[in-house]
Amino acid sequence: QSVLTQPPSVSGAPGQRVTISCTGKSSNIGAGHNVHWYQQIPGTAPKLLIYGGSIRPSGVPDRFSGSKSGSSASLAITGLQPDDEADYYCQSYDSSLSAYVFGTGTRVTVL
Amino acid sequence: QLQLQESGPGLVKPSETLSLTCTVSGDSISTTDYFWTWIRQPPGKGFEWLGTIYFSGSKNYNPSLQSRITMSVDTSKNQFSLRLTSVTAADTAVYFCARQRRGWDDLHVWGQGTTVTVSS
Repeated sequence: QSVLTQPPSVSGAPGQRVTISCTGKSSNIGAGHNVHWYQQIPGTAPKLLIYGGSIRPSGVPDRFSGSKSGSSASLAITGLQPDDEADYYCQSYDSSLSAYVFGTGTRVTVL
Repeated sequence: QLQLQESGPGLVKPSETLSLTCTVSGDSISTTDYFWTWIRQPPGKGFEWLGTIYFSGSKNYNPSLQSRITMSVDTSKNQFSLRLTSVTAADTAVYFCARQRRGWDDLHVWGQGTTVTVSS
């Protein structure tokens, strides 16, 4: 069940900056549960992009950054590149559902 | 290098049981720092967390699947498994296994996924 809301799509020209929002509520992001971001190229497995809201795993370019405020989180991609075309998902834990939950997903298109 | 590989039938009949295994290579499944998790992605849709198991056998299941799901771990084979009973077309999905870090709860390593279709 997707209880975290993301915009269906965002787009930008090469080199531009795009942001993806992830809106939750008081039982998940707002409760202080960790937020993580994944990149999925269609037909492949997801790749961890950001964990703990803002921490990049080793090997992830610093063009990707994450933040969190209240019951929402955001992923920013600066210096957009063609290889960034993919689907992006946020993930957290929901205390009311007693389940890990994912966002609805956002397709990033590089114009 | 840690790798996870899902295996199991790609086609299951309605009302039957879906069984998948995830084989872990490159590290021991009996590590105290990680959980082992199943996630699925129906065609064209987002992800659903199915359940998580610790090497000791301790488990957490998605409440929406509680009555149908069973997970187990075999430390001697470095594998963990998923069973889902009474499947319907709604269970058609790509099934992923992943390693989940204790504390952070992020899914930091994923298997490539295996497609399971429920159809007669």
